[in-house]
Amino acid sequence: DAGVIQSPRHEVTEMGQEVTLRCKPISGHDYLFWYRQTMMRGLELLIYFNNNVPIDDSGMPEDRFSAKMPNASFSTLKIQPSEPRDSAVYFCASSRHRGQGQPQHFGDGTRLSIL
Amino acid sequence: KQEVTQIPAALSVPEGENLVLNCSFTDSAIYNLQWFRQDPGKGLTSLLLIQSSQREQTSGRLNASLDKSSGRSTLYIAASQPGDSATYLCAGGMNRDDKIIFGKGTRLHILP
Repeated sequence: DAGVIQSPRHEVTEMGQEVTLRCKPISGHDYLFWYRQTMMRGLELLIYFNNNVPIDDSGMPEDRFSAKMPNASFSTLKIQPSEPRDSAVYFCASSRHRGQGQPQHFGDGTRLSIL
Repeated sequence: KQEVTQIPAALSVPEGENLVLNCSFTDSAIYNLQWFRQDPGKGLTSLLLIQSSQREQTSGRLNASLDKSSGRSTLYIAASQPGDSATYLCAGGMNRDDKIIFGKGTRLHILP
């Protein structure tokens, strides 16, 4: 059973450029979560979807960040324009409905460096 | 607002010792409590999930407990091995929504 797949694994780009991160959740999972991890702030939830619908985007730092989930097997997180302070590891995770007591499954992350 | 705290931030112990990692949370209205492991450059792997109605869960050499009244959870690792070296994070799932709130983790180093 394939896990959560994220691409790219690493991204280095210059300030001001558009960055698109991609995620394929585990088949059959109802929920998809985007997180950002930094040394200073730890793991922060940015946004999550239920059945492809965004439920809570209160963690999105500012309007430069946007996320979409056009279907059950694909989601994107976009940063436009990017800034050096966006440098972090971005994780995608998916899970079944919590009523089934299922844990979140994480991808290996995208390490983003904005120069 | 839920806050999850893990102390210490880092821990080194000799191989073979039993050890306990601590997690505390401020809001007892949690739905579940999860323990994750993170290896360098990797994502998080779920180790144990304790539902709010449960007191503990066990998997191999790992045992996690949950005490909602005191706002604490512990992860017990028996007979530690160098392969246990990793960062361990706890996370509380809240009743009011589907989010989980993470602690900043304990970086564990098992000395051969």
